[in-house]
Parts: sequence; C-alpha cells; structure tokens
Amino acid sequence: GENVEQHPSTLSVQEGDSAVIKCTYSDSASNYFPWYKQELGKRPQLIIDIRSNVGEKKDQRIAVTLNKTAKHFSLHITETQPEDSAVYFCAAPPYQGGKLIFGQGTELSVKP
Amino acid sequence: EPEVTQTPSHQVTQMGQEVILRCVPISNHLYFYWYRQILGQKVEFLVSFYNNEISEKSEIFDDQFSVERPDGSNFTLKIRSTKLEDSAMYFCASSYTGTGSEQYFGPGTRLTVT
Repeated sequence: GENVEQHPSTLSVQEGDSAVIKCTYSDSASNYFPWYKQELGKRPQLIIDIRSNVGEKKDQRIAVTLNKTAKHFSLHITETQPEDSAVYFCAAPPYQGGKLIFGQGTELSVKP
Repeated sequence: EPEVTQTPSHQVTQMGQEVILRCVPISNHLYFYWYRQILGQKVEFLVSFYNNEISEKSEIFDDQFSVERPDGSNFTLKIRSTKLEDSAMYFCASSYTGTGSEQYFGPGTRLTVT
C-alpha cells in the first residue's frame, strides 16, 4: 500500500556540518515531494518541495534531490546551525490525489 | 501572509463526549484536510474535502468522525464519542489545488481525552 519510509529517525551533527535525511516512497505515480520542519509543539512548516520533472532543487542551505527510478528523495542541509534543530518530515501524495503520506520523521539535533 | 487558523488550541474532554474542532482555511483555497499526530509520532492523514464533499478518508476516519464546511470560511471536524486513543494533535491544512500544491498547516488543536 501507500508508504513513505524515512531514515534516520535521529541525527546529531556539529554546528557547521551537513545533514542528510533520506526517504523512499512506494507509489510510482507520486509526483510531488515536500519536506516539512516541525519545531516542538508547533505546526509543520514547508521548507522545500520538488516536483517529479526535476532532479534537484536548492534554496540557500537546503537542497532536495529526487531519484524517480529508485523512488527516493533526500534533504540536504549544509552549514547547519542550532536553529535547524527540529523534527523533519518528508511526504508524498500516493497518486494524483491531494493527501500527503508522511514519513516517520527525523529528529535533527545540531550541537553548538 | 495569510494563515490557517484553528480553535481551540487545547481541548480537554471526557471519554464519550462529543468535540468539534474548528479551522479557518486560507480564503482562496479550495482543498481542505485534517491530519492528526499522536505525541512523538508521524503526521497521519484523516480526510480530504473538496467542493463541499469528502474526497478521500483514511481508515482512522470511521463513523465517529465527520467534517463539515458550514459556511464560506469554517471547516470543522467532529468526533461524536471520543475515546482515549483519540488524544492527539489535530492539524487542519488547506491548499489551492489538490495535487502538487503546497499544503498550509494550521497551528493545531491538542485534544486530550480523559
């Protein structure tokens, strides 16, 4: 069935290092891949998204790559800062519908 | 920048009671969603709503749940007879188009069932 797997579940890095979070999805019809950042007790906020017609998208220190053949996409954060500490969720719609299936989340901790 | 709003921010209720969670989506959005997040877990889809009807619902969205858009601005989630396992954060989201479009999340309602 519809499934999005996310790894790792926790990630601890030193300030200034890079962080990479990976997701795989099951439905080959998925065509939109957002990443959300959720701080404790707050709403999920979109930080970057990618559509299936491109392989990579970058926004300052954040980038997302997509491999449609392998059905996986990754979030890359460079030059991490303590304020990047949060839970990050990937998501995908399973087909042409609107609902999002979320990954399990990655708790990123950036140590000063 | 327009935002999705939700009320109340926290609702405490006794098992078996009915609760209504309210959302005001962004005004020109056409697609509306409810998700829930049990503490420490991932965000789970409950239901999507378009053109005044449910377009899809998950297994979680059983007969105890219902949604309504009573007027041009509000979007509500009703739980008829709450159970302990309904305790979670409930997020409303809206988007302009149904697929490939950013979903904007509200701040959530924390529901505690005792």
